[in-house]
Formats: sequence, C-alpha cells, structure tokens
Amino acid sequence: DTAVSQTPKYLVTQMGNDKSIKCEQNLGHDTMYWYKQDSKKFLKIMFSYNNKELIINETVPNRFSPKSPDKAHLNLHINSLELGDSAVYFCASSQDLGFEAFFGQGTRLTVV
Amino acid sequence: AQKITQTQPGMFVQEKEAVTLDCTYDTSDPSYGLFWYKQPSSGEMIFLIYQGSYDQQNATEGRYSLNFQKARKSANLVISASQLGDSAMYFCAMRGLNTNAGKSTFGDGTTLTVKP
Repeated sequence: DTAVSQTPKYLVTQMGNDKSIKCEQNLGHDTMYWYKQDSKKFLKIMFSYNNKELIINETVPNRFSPKSPDKAHLNLHINSLELGDSAVYFCASSQDLGFEAFFGQGTRLTVV
Repeated sequence: AQKITQTQPGMFVQEKEAVTLDCTYDTSDPSYGLFWYKQPSSGEMIFLIYQGSYDQQNATEGRYSLNFQKARKSANLVISASQLGDSAMYFCAMRGLNTNAGKSTFGDGTTLTVKP
C-alpha cells in the first residue's frame, strides 16, 4: 500500500504543452509539498500546503500552479512547458510541519 | 534566510566501519527541524532521522545517529557499521517551524560509497 503516490512516473512532452502531475497520500497527513530535483541532484522546495492552504510558494514561475482539492491530494499543473522544466518532481507529505516528510517515487519530466 | 551546507561532495568508507557526514546550517528561525534523507541510485528519497531544535538529546535510529551541536549549528549524520547498501547520496535538510514555517531547504548532498 503506497503511502505517497505520484502519477505518472515518467512524462515526456514537447515544449509549449501543458501537463499535470498528480499526488495522493493515504497517511492522513496535514501537510504536503512539491520539490524539484534538477540534473545535478539539487533539491528545491516549490510549494508547501498545510490543511489545504498554501503556506510556502518559493520563487517558481507562475506557469506552475498547485491545486489541493482535499488534504490527501496535491496536484501540480504546468503550463507552456520549457526545456528548463526538465527535472524530477517529488511530492511529499508530513504529519505536520515539525515532522519528517515521506516522499513519492518522483516524476521524471523531460521536455523536448 | 535558511542555508544548509554539506562540504563533502563524496565520501568513501570501508564496510563495517563508521562514517560521519557533515552538515552545517544557518537560519533566523528560532524553531526548526533538521532531517537526513538517503537517495539510492534508484532515485527514491528515504527518510533517515529527525532532530528538533529544542530536543536536548541527539536523535538515534538504529545505525543512524545525529550529532547535533546547536551552538556550532551543525547536524552531522553518523552511520555505524556501514553496509554495502548504504552506498547512496545523503541529503541534510531543515524546515522552519516559526518565522519560516514550512520552508524546507536541502543541502547539495554527499555521495557515500561503501567499499567491500
């Protein structure tokens, strides 16, 4: 029973397209996150949601829009994809801010 | 602002020996959490250990322990009795709990190779 699941695992798409990555957690956690890991393995927080409220929005282009329909889901929609968006995107969740985050398996996005 | 510094891009250790991975941090938040994650070559992120800024004792989880020195702003990970399966990239991270609530910052990672 996967705790944090992301779909799809791989996504190859052309520049200019719009795509979504879905994330669901079955841990009953209140807090969810999106991270981006680039080709050099640098990990950066993109968004943090606590009880469906956006609490952290790092310097991310507004082409990226998170949506949290309920506490168990945090989806990431990306408009007008660019080559530089190619990366691995991780969804994660934690019981609250002061607890460890459990990560999904990652979505490898390749923009061609 | 928050910053995590991992000064060791790569480390080697002999199987069954102990190894320390360094991590220093900087933050203006009076309350924060410190984390270590392992990322094997398969790519998943695995939580290892957590230390709260107000915890008096160093955290331990099996073969992992966190050497927390608050005054020096360091949170080194110690892995005892290294195993071949410990070969992976290790990330130190922090999350603000007060003025930077929810903001997570990761270090650049240390690649650990365990030699047989």
